[in-house]
Amino acid sequence: AQKVTQAQTEISVVEKEDVTLDCVYETRDTTYYLFWYKQPPSGELVFLIRRNSFDEQNEISGRYSWNFQKSTSSFNFTITASQVVDSAVYFCALSQGGKLIFGQGTELSVKP
Amino acid sequence: ETGVTQTPRHLVMGMTNKKSLKCEQHLGHNAMYWYKQSAKKPLELMFVYSLEERVENNSVPSRFSPECPNSSHLFLHLHTLQPEDSALYLCASSQAVQGATGANVLTFGAGSRLTVL
Repeated sequence: AQKVTQAQTEISVVEKEDVTLDCVYETRDTTYYLFWYKQPPSGELVFLIRRNSFDEQNEISGRYSWNFQKSTSSFNFTITASQVVDSAVYFCALSQGGKLIFGQGTELSVKP
Repeated sequence: ETGVTQTPRHLVMGMTNKKSLKCEQHLGHNAMYWYKQSAKKPLELMFVYSLEERVENNSVPSRFSPECPNSSHLFLHLHTLQPEDSALYLCASSQAVQGATGANVLTFGAGSRLTVL
C-alpha cells in the first residue's frame, strides 16, 4: 500500500532559525513522484516541488531545499533562515496512478 | 480571473438542506478533482474527472454528487449531509492523468468551508 507519513504535526520556531520538515513514504512502485505543497492560512495549496523517483539530486530554491533519499524512503524539506511568511501547513505527497496521496501535514509556526 | 476559483468560500447548512459548491478553472486544464480536508486528517480524494468523465470515486457517500458539465467547471451537490461532513472542500485541476505514474501538478482553489448544523 502507498502511504505518506509526516510525523511532525506542529513545529514552532523563531524567525531566522532553520527548520526541517520530515516526510517518509511507502510504495512498491519503482517509478513514482513526490511533491511538497504549502497551505497558507488563505486555504489554497501551493505547489512547491515535484521530484521523480529516478532523480535523487538534492534541490535548492532560494531558502528552500529538499533532500531525497530512496534508501530511507524520505523526502525532507528544509527552510533556511525562516520568516514569518513561511508560517503555513506543509504537505508531502506521493503520486500513484496520477492521484496524489497526501501526508497529514506539518503546521509550521514562525514567530517574530 | 486566473487559477482555480471556488464559491462559496463559506457555507452553513442544515442537515436537510440542498446546496452546491462550484469550482471554475481558467488554466486550460482537462482534469478536475474534489478533495475533502477535515481537521487532523490527510486530504481525502473524493472525485476525479478527466476529459469530463468521472475516473475516480473513492467510496464517497451518495449524499455527495459531483457534476462536471465541461472541462472548466466542476460542481459538488450536497444533500442531507451529516455534521461529520463539516470540512474544507478543495477543488483542484491539472492536465489529464497520463500513464500509471502520473506526474501531474495540481493547482488548487482556496476551498469552500462547509459547516453542517
